[in-house]
Amino acid sequence: QVHLVESGGGVVQPGGSLRLSCAASGFDFTNYGMHWVRQAPGKGLEWVTFIRFDGSNKYYADSVKGRCTFSRDNSKNMLYLQVSSLRPEDTAVYFCAKDGSPKAARGDSLDYWGQGTLVTVSS
Amino acid sequence: QLVLTQSPSASASLGASVKLTCTLSSGHINYAIAWHQQRPEKGPRFLMKVNSDGSHTKGDGIPDRFSGSSSGAERYLTISSLQSEDEGDYYCQIWGTARVVFFGGGTKLTVL
Repeated sequence: QVHLVESGGGVVQPGGSLRLSCAASGFDFTNYGMHWVRQAPGKGLEWVTFIRFDGSNKYYADSVKGRCTFSRDNSKNMLYLQVSSLRPEDTAVYFCAKDGSPKAARGDSLDYWGQGTLVTVSS
Repeated sequence: QLVLTQSPSASASLGASVKLTCTLSSGHINYAIAWHQQRPEKGPRFLMKVNSDGSHTKGDGIPDRFSGSSSGAERYLTISSLQSEDEGDYYCQIWGTARVVFFGGGTKLTVL
């Protein structure tokens, strides 16, 4: 059974940084790319970033490019999202999600989601 | 320009059927999409992939009441025998474009 558990959210001041984590289990983690998707309060889903199964390539939405670093530790089945220079508009629930296609180059459908972790950017 | 158009809201009665639509922008009409359900205060849940030919592949444990289809630039999610637990937001998602992954604005489904 696929299980994704995010952590690391909290309240941070504008300009600050945060590292989000996602623990994955129940599938062959080393064969699948992974995503982060966020949802601002009362808004829809916004894709943030994708990392290939082996960490060799990463893609970022324009809204976070240059401020986010997505990494993974395949020995620990863990994902990490470092977000810096945080802005109030980064306030959102951040979900990690599993890609649906093994070894996809640039992502596919997202077939499992975590419950999310809330990041609030406020002074 | 990549656009996935979804009606902001839909409603149907308990036990009835509803058909939600995701319209792909020109230039993307041959793309497959995925449908995701998000119940209130919950994380999203993958429902199915819908191909341009109308074939669809459902996620684990998705009831037979959920089905997908296509016509031209439109991708559909049909829910039959509506239950109260079907209430929530439904998002379509595309991949393989310059935007990598992209979501429609979502449809809020109310079960009357």
